[in-house]
Amino acid sequence: DTAVSQTPKYLVTQMGNDKSIKCEQNLGHDTMYWYKQDSKKFLKIMFSYNNKELIINETVPNRFSPKSPDKAHLNLHINSLELGDSAVYFCATEGTGEAYEQYFGPGTRLTVT
Amino acid sequence: AQSVTQPDIHITVSEGASLELRCNYSYGATPYLFWYVQSPGQGLQLLLKYFSGDTLVQGIKGFEAEFKRSQSSFNLRKPSVHWSDAAEYFCAVARGSSASKIIFGSGTRLSIRP
Repeated sequence: DTAVSQTPKYLVTQMGNDKSIKCEQNLGHDTMYWYKQDSKKFLKIMFSYNNKELIINETVPNRFSPKSPDKAHLNLHINSLELGDSAVYFCATEGTGEAYEQYFGPGTRLTVT
Repeated sequence: AQSVTQPDIHITVSEGASLELRCNYSYGATPYLFWYVQSPGQGLQLLLKYFSGDTLVQGIKGFEAEFKRSQSSFNLRKPSVHWSDAAEYFCAVARGSSASKIIFGSGTRLSIRP
């Protein structure tokens, strides 16, 4: 039973399109994150949600819009995709009292052509 | 601003040999330090973490790390590697005040020679 799952695993799309990546967790954790890992494996936080509330919004273009419909889900919608958006996007969760012990999903590899 | 440096991009060791992966951090106060492992095609998994106390930290899968304040280092070690340890290893640092602010290093890819 997967703790943090992401769909799709792979996403290939053309520039200018709009796409969404979904994340679901069954750990009951209050905090969820989106990270971007570029081609050099550099991992950077994008957003953080706590109990459906946006906590952290790093310097990310406003074409990226996270949405948390409930505590178990955090989706990432990307408008007007650009070549530079190609990366692996990871969802992660963190439980209250488990400071910094983050549980990562398997990632979504986005390729923009 | 806090930062973390992993000077080795790629390391190859023989199976059964010992391993040390280097990590240096830059932070004004005592940081929270972590090592994560990423197997091919997988998300990251926490190996161990240091907040305070004993500077030698034991983690999962037989890994340990030692915090050395004088050297601003938090190196990861394992006495005998197994082929299944081949993966990407990330050192990370965080401020204690904000759970979201984990800064990751650029990673070290570990290959195992049979």
